[in-house]
Amino acid sequence: QVQLQESGPGLVKPSETLSLTCSVSGGSVSSGGYYWSWIRQPPGKGLEWLGCIHDRGSTNYNPSLKSRVTISADMSKNQFSLILSSVTAADTAVYYCARGRVPGDYWGQGTLVTVSS
Amino acid sequence: QSALTQPPSASGSPGQSVTISCTGTSSDVGGYNYVSWYQHHPGKAPKLLISEVTKRPSGVPDRFSASKSGNTASLTVSGLQAEDEADYYCSSYVAGNSVIFGGGTKLTVL
Repeated sequence: QVQLQESGPGLVKPSETLSLTCSVSGGSVSSGGYYWSWIRQPPGKGLEWLGCIHDRGSTNYNPSLKSRVTISADMSKNQFSLILSSVTAADTAVYYCARGRVPGDYWGQGTLVTVSS
Repeated sequence: QSALTQPPSASGSPGQSVTISCTGTSSDVGGYNYVSWYQHHPGKAPKLLISEVTKRPSGVPDRFSASKSGNTASLTVSGLQAEDEADYYCSSYVAGNSVIFGGGTKLTVL
């Protein structure tokens, strides 16, 4: 059973950088031919796909956020990470990690990140 | 990229059927068979109901079915039950290696 768990600061100041990590168990971020994605949901709004990383290391990003988003993987720790730069209040959201470029049947529980001074 | 278009709300009585639509373009829903549907209860992780337009993962009741015609995909929930009350989202692969979600539909079981 694949399990994913997001971790990172719950509060980030405006203009700073948001950094989250997704720890994967029961599966490998470096094999199997899978993509690993980040998705978010602002309060009261819908889901938004942020981007993904393939187990070979290639990345795809949401065009509307591409200039601010970086996704990377640490094979030794079986983790993948999200970096979102120059955050504003609009980046306040529950952030999820999931397996699959079109997210599939394995998701983390989500972590709330609030952008506020 | 704009979200796929879903009705904001839908409703039905227990035992009835409800269909939720998801409209995109030829660059996403209409162009690829990579449409998925999710059920999302507040405070929980979204649950995959359907992948690749019509495929139902093991454990998902066959009351949930889906289809696609042109640029519009549809999810049908048959035999509505109280626990089906949730938010439902569609998603699709987009040309150029991106993914887009629908705006979400709040399903109310009357």
